[in-house]
Amino acid sequence: DVKVTQSSRYLVKRTGEKVFLECVQDMDHENMFWYRQDPGLGLRLIYFSYDVKMKEKGDIPEGYSVSREKKERFSLILESASTNQTSMYLCASSWGQGGRGANVLTFGAGSRLTVL
Amino acid sequence: GNSVTQMEGPVTLSEEAFLTINCTYTATGYPSLFWYVQYPGEGLQLLLKATKADDKGSNKGFEATYRKETTSFHLEKGSVQVSDSAVYFCALSTSGNTPLVFGKGTRLSVIA
Repeated sequence: DVKVTQSSRYLVKRTGEKVFLECVQDMDHENMFWYRQDPGLGLRLIYFSYDVKMKEKGDIPEGYSVSREKKERFSLILESASTNQTSMYLCASSWGQGGRGANVLTFGAGSRLTVL
Repeated sequence: GNSVTQMEGPVTLSEEAFLTINCTYTATGYPSLFWYVQYPGEGLQLLLKATKADDKGSNKGFEATYRKETTSFHLEKGSVQVSDSAVYFCALSTSGNTPLVFGKGTRLSVIA
């Protein structure tokens, strides 16, 4: 089975802290994605990547950055966490070069971040 | 822009009841349509999909038919079980290499 592993299930951080959310997939998928999930808003795309060192902004990239130095790892970075970034963060991956197959996703279990 | 609208939840049903979760979409061109499910404490997983008009996707007793004339992709199941309790997301993709656009999700609770 394809596995997408998110390093932390629960994190509590203070306003202004730098936060790293790590995501690793073990099936050699080309494409990786970060979404946030909020009640009443569903899933919103933050950033995605179709190749190593490549990144594209999603619908809500403000306040976030990403890093993809290796094919299997896609990190989400909050440079200076704020309370409105309290959320569930979901990482996903899919096969397909150039994003082909980007619509059949395998998700991690999520990282619930609380910013105080 | 592209968007997906789902019926608001939560939906509460008794075991063996019939389930319908409505989903309509707005999109340019001819999108592919998906239903994803999120069980408690887990990430989302693909439930079923349809890639062209009149296609029916099915899995685990769930079905959805791609209706171009009504821009809909309603999810149905004839007899729900407690284990079907989850959040269901309708989604679309306008081409094979564009990220999915998700609806807001519908929480289903099935009681014994």
